Amino acid sequence: SYVLTQPPSVSVAPGQTARITCGGNNIGSKSVHWYQQKPGQAPVLVIYNDNDRPSGIPERISGSNSGNTATLTISRVEAGDEADYYCQVWDTNSDHVFGTGTKVTVL
Amino acid sequence: QVQLVESGGGVVQPGMSLRLSCAASGFRFSTYAMHWVRQAPGKGLEWVAVMSFDGSNKYYADSVKGRFTISRDNSKSTLYLPMSGLRAEDTAVYFCARGGHDTSGPLGYWGRGTLVTVSS
Repeated sequence: SYVLTQPPSVSVAPGQTARITCGGNNIGSKSVHWYQQKPGQAPVLVIYNDNDRPSGIPERISGSNSGNTATLTISRVEAGDEADYYCQVWDTNSDHVFGTGTKVTVL
Repeated sequence: QVQLVESGGGVVQPGMSLRLSCAASGFRFSTYAMHWVRQAPGKGLEWVAVMSFDGSNKYYADSVKGRFTISRDNSKSTLYLPMSGLRAEDTAVYFCARGGHDTSGPLGYWGRGTLVTVSS
């Protein structure tokens, strides 16, 4: 089955840039989606198809995808960005797969 | 606005059955694929199942195949997940989510979830 690996945690100071990686075999050939989940809440789609933003998502949240790694970048980090983040792809053999999740802590 | 409201969760004993429902509103339900995703306490997201907009295609995670059955009633804008042979490892919050117009797209909207606890 297809596996997506994320770092368990990322810490960043306010105003700095957070980068969350999502590793998978040849993930660059797939469309990657990213979700933000705050404690006790449902996930929210923040990036789809590698680097598209749904309406209402700020421009300082962006994505990229190449080779074996996709990356979610949060610029000018704010306290409200503190959350768990999950990458996700659709794979022909495994259907929908979520990454292991990354907890972003704002220092 | 898009709303998804899950119901039907509760506490059940191992081996028992339960049926979850997801009432949708604010969009044309019959034109979107719909998903179930679960999250065990303190754990990450696990995709469970998806059904195509017209019910003609359904796909399951290996962990629930043969025990869970996704279904939908487009006339009622409702998604279902009958679950049988429940196990302790099925304990989780179950979310329904709206997919795209096909079964492979992103999950654009999510409900708040319903908690299923499997325990003796």
